[in-house]
Amino acid sequence: AQKITQTQPGMFVQEKEAVTLDCTYDTSDQSYGLFWYKQPSSGEMIFLIYQGSYDEQNATEGRYSLNFQKARKSANLVISASQLGDSAMYFCAMRLHGGGFQKLVFGTGTRLLVSP
Amino acid sequence: NAGVTQTPKFQVLKTGQSMTLQCAQDMNHEYMSWYRQDPGMGLRLIHYSVGAGITDQGEVPNGYNVSRSTTEDFPLRLLSAAPSQTSVYFCASRRTGVGQETQYFGPGTRLLVL
Repeated sequence: AQKITQTQPGMFVQEKEAVTLDCTYDTSDQSYGLFWYKQPSSGEMIFLIYQGSYDEQNATEGRYSLNFQKARKSANLVISASQLGDSAMYFCAMRLHGGGFQKLVFGTGTRLLVSP
Repeated sequence: NAGVTQTPKFQVLKTGQSMTLQCAQDMNHEYMSWYRQDPGMGLRLIHYSVGAGITDQGEVPNGYNVSRSTTEDFPLRLLSAAPSQTSVYFCASRRTGVGQETQYFGPGTRLLVL
C-alpha cells in the first residue's frame, strides 16, 4: 500500500530553535517524489520543498531542509531558527505515478506551534 | 499571473442541491486536479485532468463530476449535495514533464451541506 505517515499530531518549539517534523512513506515504486506543504490558519497550501527519489543530496530551501533517508523510507522536514510565522499545519506528501498521471498522497499533518 | 483561482470561497447548500465549484489557472498548466480536505485527514484526490478533454477519477470520485473544455478551467460539479460532502475543496495545477514538480494550489472553497 502506498501511504504517508506523520506520527506527530502536534509539535511545540520555541522561537529561534530548530524543529524536525517526521514523515515516513511506503511505496514499492523506484521513482517517486516527496513534498512538504505548509497550511497556515488562512487555509492555503504553500509548497515548501521537494525531494526526488534519485536525488543523492538532501533538498534545502532557505530555512527548510529535507532529511531524506531512503533505506528507512523517511523524509523528515527540518526547520531551522523557527519563527512565529512558522506556526501552521505541515503536510508531507508523496507523488505517485499510475496510468500516465501523477497524484499526490498526503499524510494527516502535524500542527506546529512556535512560542515566543 | 493570478495563479490558481477558486470561486466561491464559501458556500452553504441544502441536501440535494447542485452546484459547481470553479477553478481557473493562468499558467498554461496541463495537469489540474481537485482535492478535498476533511478534519484530521490529509488531502484526498477527487478527479484530475492531464489536458483539455481528458479527465479521470481519483481516490474519492463518487458524487462529483468534472470536465475540461479548456486548458485554463477545471470546474467540479456536485449533482446532488450530501452532508458527507461538507469539506474544504482545493484545486491544483502543475506542468507535466520531468522537473516540473511544483504543484500550485488554489485558496480553497469551504463547503457546508446541511
